[in-house]
Amino acid sequence: DAGVTQSPTHLIKTRGQQVTLRCSPISGHKSVSWYQQVLGQGPQFIFQYYEKEERGRGNFPDRFSARQFPNYSSELNVNALLLGDSALYLCASSRTGTPFSGANVLTFGAGSRLTVL
Amino acid sequence: AQSVTQLDSQVPVFEEAPVELRCNYSSSVSVYLFWYVQYPNQGLQLLLKYLSGSTLVKGINGFEAEFNKSQTSFHLRKPSVHISDTAEYFCAVPSLPNSGGSNYKLTFGKGTLLTVNP
Repeated sequence: DAGVTQSPTHLIKTRGQQVTLRCSPISGHKSVSWYQQVLGQGPQFIFQYYEKEERGRGNFPDRFSARQFPNYSSELNVNALLLGDSALYLCASSRTGTPFSGANVLTFGAGSRLTVL
Repeated sequence: AQSVTQLDSQVPVFEEAPVELRCNYSSSVSVYLFWYVQYPNQGLQLLLKYLSGSTLVKGINGFEAEFNKSQTSFHLRKPSVHISDTAEYFCAVPSLPNSGGSNYKLTFGKGTLLTVNP
């Protein structure tokens, strides 16, 4: 089975622009989470979606938004880009919306590296 | 809220030497703990997890970790490292119900860069 796939892998934007990042979860996984990893830091939680509903949101401004589609894929949108939004954006999927019960853990994709100039 | 502290930002070792990467956690509820590895220019890969049961957890690539409740630690160890183990290692703890945080997020430490030299 394919793992979590993300696109694009790299992109460059300028301040004020908008960006959309895409994620396809592992087949059979219904939950998708988004994390931001700034250089030299651990990943920070942005959103979690399960069955197309937002189940959790981290401490990020309203410029960040996301959605999940009927096929369980997801998009992360960031508006009015700032230099500080430059980061690796990681998508993770899990089988259910409660990823830490039993053996149901998060599986991460390779990420989308965003550079804001 | 749950949190983790990785005590070393960088750990250089020679090939075939043993290594220990330290992680301490803070939690007032039942604890799950994870170690993830990130190779250069890649995403995160799960190394091992502690959910319950035996406090000694074995993971992939010869790594193991021991859950120590009294010391609130979950240190990662490998008896003999290889050049290919060079990577960033992250300890993580999830937010659980009734803790005031989301049930659905992982909180990561800042990471430990393991560099294995020949």
